[in-house]
Amino acid sequence: AQKVTQAQTEISVVEKEDVTLDCVYETRDTTYYLFWYKQPPSGELVFLIRRNSFDEQNEISGRYSWNFQKSTSSFNFTITASQVVDSAVYFCALERNTGFQKLVFGTGTRLLVSP
Amino acid sequence: GAGVSQSPSNKVTEKGKDVELRCDPISGHTALYWYRQSLGQGLEFLIYFQGNSAPDKSGLPSDRFSAERTGGSVSTLTIQRTQQEDSAVYLCASSLAQGRLSNEQYFGPGTRLTVT
Repeated sequence: AQKVTQAQTEISVVEKEDVTLDCVYETRDTTYYLFWYKQPPSGELVFLIRRNSFDEQNEISGRYSWNFQKSTSSFNFTITASQVVDSAVYFCALERNTGFQKLVFGTGTRLLVSP
Repeated sequence: GAGVSQSPSNKVTEKGKDVELRCDPISGHTALYWYRQSLGQGLEFLIYFQGNSAPDKSGLPSDRFSAERTGGSVSTLTIQRTQQEDSAVYLCASSLAQGRLSNEQYFGPGTRLTVT
């Protein structure tokens, strides 16, 4: 069975703090993809990153970084020096490499960044 | 270019009525997906269309739900005899699916359905 767990329902931080959003997944597949999406108040999901299960290198994009560890089935997302515009719901998702590209989403983490 | 569009943005309907939700994918995207986001929940997969292949309907919660995709482009999700538990945001996404290769899905703004 495919499952994604985002244990943190809501996180509140003050601007400029660093924050890590946790994502733990379950799959029996050896090949799969992991995603992070951002859902701002406007409601439209914005793609942030896709990671192939064979690529465990950490990735950094500006203030965003991702830590993928197969040993613990985790794909955590860190925002450095958070800003008010980072306030949103963040979803982690898993996709099987079967050609049927439906995503299995976690329940999301609401991040509130206050000035 | 134009993104995924959905209409209506909001729909309020009475219990027992039928509703149709529309999705216009990004031009050229062969794959189209419908998801449902209930309050406090993650996104739940409903149905997936890929080109001319038979759709993957495994996520449809009941036979009151159906979807079609005409001409490989626009899709309509129909909910018959709506129930209050159908209240949710219905999201459509499209992608340049290429066989087993993964491509990011681009999401529309969603249709917020409220069943009274």
